Amino acid sequence: EPEVTQTPSHQVTQMGQEVILRCVPISNHLYFYWYRQILGQKVEFLVSFYNNEISEKSEIFDDQFSVERPDGSNFTLKIRSTKLEDSAMYFCASSEGTGFRSYNSPLHFGNGTRLTVT
Amino acid sequence: DAKTTQPPSMDCAEGRAANLPCNHSTISGNEYVYWYRQIHSQGPQYIIHGLKNNETNEMASLIITEDRKSSTLILPHATLRDTAVYYCIVRVANTGTASKLTFGTGTRLQVTL
Repeated sequence: EPEVTQTPSHQVTQMGQEVILRCVPISNHLYFYWYRQILGQKVEFLVSFYNNEISEKSEIFDDQFSVERPDGSNFTLKIRSTKLEDSAMYFCASSEGTGFRSYNSPLHFGNGTRLTVT
Repeated sequence: DAKTTQPPSMDCAEGRAANLPCNHSTISGNEYVYWYRQIHSQGPQYIIHGLKNNETNEMASLIITEDRKSSTLILPHATLRDTAVYYCIVRVANTGTASKLTFGTGTRLQVTL
């Protein structure tokens, strides 16, 4: 069964450094999402992406965050200058985007990247 | 998106059916009910979704009341591997834009021997 893959599984970085989290969505999917989960807290929406532009973003997704689909397969989340409070699990998700099925197609999530900012 | 209410925790004996309730009394006509689960800190796993009819797949059954104000996820024969946090989410139908899921705190299901 096709799946969303995320790399790396764990990233440690120093405060103020830039990080790029990478995701390979399911190949025929057209909608892409990033979520995060701080340890012990809820899964929080960050941003959705469709047709090469952001569809929606949350208050968390400030100017320090950006997303990109640099080629036909990857979807990346960049944090420009990491802060201690950015430490969390970051989940990428994708969903289908063609035909009637797109109206109720579920999101499929990767297993996340654990980001630790020291 | 409509808000959902779930019990914070439930227990179930292995081999028995697990019935997880969810209240979504403010659901709108164009909103689907989705169920996901999260095992430890893994990514949320899609289980099932429905609009108004009952649904069944290889993982679970979803029973939605006629007025659509509540639903029940049924795991017919729970195993220890079904121990997880289960999320009931109401989601607007994707109408050409990316429609997000909004996670609450879910129900922590503990399956015991």
